[in-house]
Amino acid sequence: AQKVTQAQTEISVVEKEDVTLDCVYETRDTTYYLFWYKQPPSGELVFLIRRNSFDEQNEISGRYSWNFQKSTSSFNFTITASQVVDSAVYFCALSEAQAAGNKLTFGGGTRVLVKP
Amino acid sequence: DGGITQSPKYLFRKEGQNVTLSCEQNLNHDAMYWYRQDPGQGLRLIYYSQIVNDFQKGDIAEGYSVSREKKESFPLTVTSAQKNPTAFYLCASSIARGAPYNEQFFGPGTRLTVL
Repeated sequence: AQKVTQAQTEISVVEKEDVTLDCVYETRDTTYYLFWYKQPPSGELVFLIRRNSFDEQNEISGRYSWNFQKSTSSFNFTITASQVVDSAVYFCALSEAQAAGNKLTFGGGTRVLVKP
Repeated sequence: DGGITQSPKYLFRKEGQNVTLSCEQNLNHDAMYWYRQDPGQGLRLIYYSQIVNDFQKGDIAEGYSVSREKKESFPLTVTSAQKNPTAFYLCASSIARGAPYNEQFFGPGTRLTVL
């Protein structure tokens, strides 16, 4: 069965520091998709990125970057030069091509607190 | 503006009462989902629907019921059979059924408290 583990429950940094969020996944499917979502204090989840299992290229979007390594089943997320607005809970999620209903399996989330 | 609306934002219920949470989307998405989030935890799938008049149980469906009579609406009823209903409930939708690569879009959530 699929599983997503985010071992860090909470990370606290000072503004402008870099922060890396770990995500490790388990799946038997050869085709799968990985996602990162941000949940600010308002509660609504915001989609950040999607990666499919055949694309191991790292991606950078502004201060955000993602490192996907199939060899270690990891899809880590780095925020560079963190800002107070980055304070939120971040979720990693997995969707398998074979699973019915496009179901997402979420990790437990990592709360990031950026202090001024 | 397209999006997902959930109402109410906060809901209080007495033990033994059924309560219905509303979820409406105007994104013309085929698939809709209900998740439950408990403090400090990830999201768990309650029910999902890929097409009108059809829905499937998720991982924690016991004590909940849904309907999908219209494409844009997917209400969730929390019944008195749900042992611990106090939680944050999130509704989501995605553009097409059978398309696991599509991201899900989320509503603002309803926080249910049982008194």
